[in-house]
Amino acid sequence: EPEVTQTPSHQVTQMGQEVILRCVPISNHLYFYWYRQILGQKVEFLVSFYNNEISEKSEIFDDQFSVERPDGSNFTLKIRSTKLEDSAMYFCASSDPKEQYFGPGTRLTVT
Amino acid sequence: SQKIEQNSEALNIQEGKTATLTCNYTNYSPAYLQWYRQDPGRGPVFLLLIRENEKEKRKERLKVTFDTTLKQSLFHITASQPADSATYLCALGYSSASKIIFGSGTRLSIRP
Repeated sequence: EPEVTQTPSHQVTQMGQEVILRCVPISNHLYFYWYRQILGQKVEFLVSFYNNEISEKSEIFDDQFSVERPDGSNFTLKIRSTKLEDSAMYFCASSDPKEQYFGPGTRLTVT
Repeated sequence: SQKIEQNSEALNIQEGKTATLTCNYTNYSPAYLQWYRQDPGRGPVFLLLIRENEKEKRKERLKVTFDTTLKQSLFHITASQPADSATYLCALGYSSASKIIFGSGTRLSIRP
């Protein structure tokens, strides 16, 4: 069964550093998303992406965040200058278009 | 803004019984509602989607109902098993391909 994959599974970085989280969505899906979940809290929407542009973003998704689909398979989330409060699980999801399928997540720890 | 409440933070039931989880929302009704399972440290796993014009959906031992008058969805697991122990999340969607808004989840424990 097709699935969303994410790398790395765990990323540790120092405050102020840039990180790139990578995702490979399900191959025939056209809609891509990033969500995050701070430990013990709800899953929160960050951004949605369709046709090579952002279709919607939340208040969390400020100028420090960016997304890109550099080729036909990858979808990335970049955080330019990480803060302690960016520590969370980051989930990529894809859909076609309603049911959203999530990846296993990247645990980002900012020290 | 939309508020989503899932009945209880934790639910413990005996193996073999039916587990019933509740998702209530305020304000405007979503176009569809999804239920997910989440295990510790893992991503949400899609289970079922029900549209606003559907009353009930089934998949194997799972059943979801959607009542737009009560602004409520019920999620049932029949013949529950210890392997069903997980956190179950409801999520609301307002248009095709839009973001989905998650509830805080109900942690279900099935004891043998």
